[in-house]
Amino acid sequence: QQPVQSPQAVILREGEDAVINCSSSKALYSVHWYRQKHGEAPVFLMILLKGGEQKGHEKISASFNEKKQQSSLYLTASQLSYSGTYFCGTSRDNAGNMLTFGGGTRLMVKP
Amino acid sequence: GAVVSQHPSRVICKSGTSVKIECRSLDFQATTMFWYRQFPKQSLMLMATSNEGSKATYEQGVEKDKFLINHASLTLSTLTVTSAHPEDSSFYICSARVQGNSPLHFGNGTRLTVT
Repeated sequence: QQPVQSPQAVILREGEDAVINCSSSKALYSVHWYRQKHGEAPVFLMILLKGGEQKGHEKISASFNEKKQQSSLYLTASQLSYSGTYFCGTSRDNAGNMLTFGGGTRLMVKP
Repeated sequence: GAVVSQHPSRVICKSGTSVKIECRSLDFQATTMFWYRQFPKQSLMLMATSNEGSKATYEQGVEKDKFLINHASLTLSTLTVTSAHPEDSSFYICSARVQGNSPLHFGNGTRLTVT
């Protein structure tokens, strides 16, 4: 079953922050986050495993609340290069199989 | 590192013909490859999971006999769209990973147009 992402779209000014949420009605073993720019392949951002961990990379970080079956992606001090569609992917087993993606969140960062 | 090559990038075929799409991991061995279909401005819809040396696991609603997947080696998986119809026109994208819960590395996709 496909995870649900929110919001579907967001427009930011450069330097502003954003949060993208990903939730599932089923137990999650891991959550992946990817960014896809128009006409390009999705690019890996991070993976969070069961255990409620939070990972970060420069100004992009994410959390995983397994009790709530939710993950959030935090974009701080957004840059123009952050524009794209963000997808969360969730796996239905602890081997990371059957990875299904949410509907995506379109992020546009304006100067 | 971790480059996945997908070929062809674009293909136009006539209704009723078959089309083969290749997905290769260039600098790593991929135990698992995934095949997705993506409609314009929509998400990646998982079609099947392909493990090297074994039969692919198809998602519900995906016709096994229409979308033939072969994962003959640790660096190559192929998707063959058999007896293609216009409704099969779409963007097909593969991804590969080294092992469970490692990052997916995506190919650049194949735009299939069936006339």
